[in-house]
Amino acid sequence: AQSVTQLDSHVSVSEGTPVLLRCNYSSSYSPSLFWYVQHPNKGLQLLLKYTSAATLVKGINGFEAEFKKSETSFHLTKPSAHMSDAAEYFCVVSPYTGTASKLTFGTGTRLQVTL
Amino acid sequence: DTAVSQTPKYLVTQMGNDKSIKCEQNLGHDTMYWYKQDSKKFLKIMFSYNNKELIINETVPNRFSPKSPDKAHLNLHINSLELGDSAVYFCASSLSTLGQKGPYGYTFGSGTRLTVV
Repeated sequence: AQSVTQLDSHVSVSEGTPVLLRCNYSSSYSPSLFWYVQHPNKGLQLLLKYTSAATLVKGINGFEAEFKKSETSFHLTKPSAHMSDAAEYFCVVSPYTGTASKLTFGTGTRLQVTL
Repeated sequence: DTAVSQTPKYLVTQMGNDKSIKCEQNLGHDTMYWYKQDSKKFLKIMFSYNNKELIINETVPNRFSPKSPDKAHLNLHINSLELGDSAVYFCASSLSTLGQKGPYGYTFGSGTRLTVV
């Protein structure tokens, strides 16, 4: 069994300030973890993924996330927010189950960026 | 070139109707998925096909019937539509072979917004 909890449904930051979106997971297996972003009326875009290699993962658009097994966390950060970062962010966990993998999505965090 | 394309993008229909959503991927992936995103943005897997074979079938009403004519296509047919079926449906694909980028890399389509009135 696996689950993912996004601790904040809504985060608001000022442009140029750091972003922190929090995610905790539980999994019976060694998980793979992802962050996806969804801009309004757009599809899901992969930001970054952790698959048991380096625990600090760098993604697109300056985002990064750190896998902390002891804390079962995979928080998403960015040093300086940009207006274009305003979107919905999903933390996702997946076990490796052979020929098929089932993604479990968190409920999403809406990031608002203000001037 | 669109990697995963869904049609239609928007679909408005009356209760009781039957409708289909089509999905095609040109990535050479052998696994395809349907996900449903509800009004609270929560995504949940519905079905998965690997090489035209159904491998994941979550607790979904049997009014929903996926069909995969080949590994590049996965269509979703919905009978007797209900108000609660209103949602955004996402198609996705992945490589499932060990040692490659998938199944850890998923490519999603841009979604089909279904509104049942």
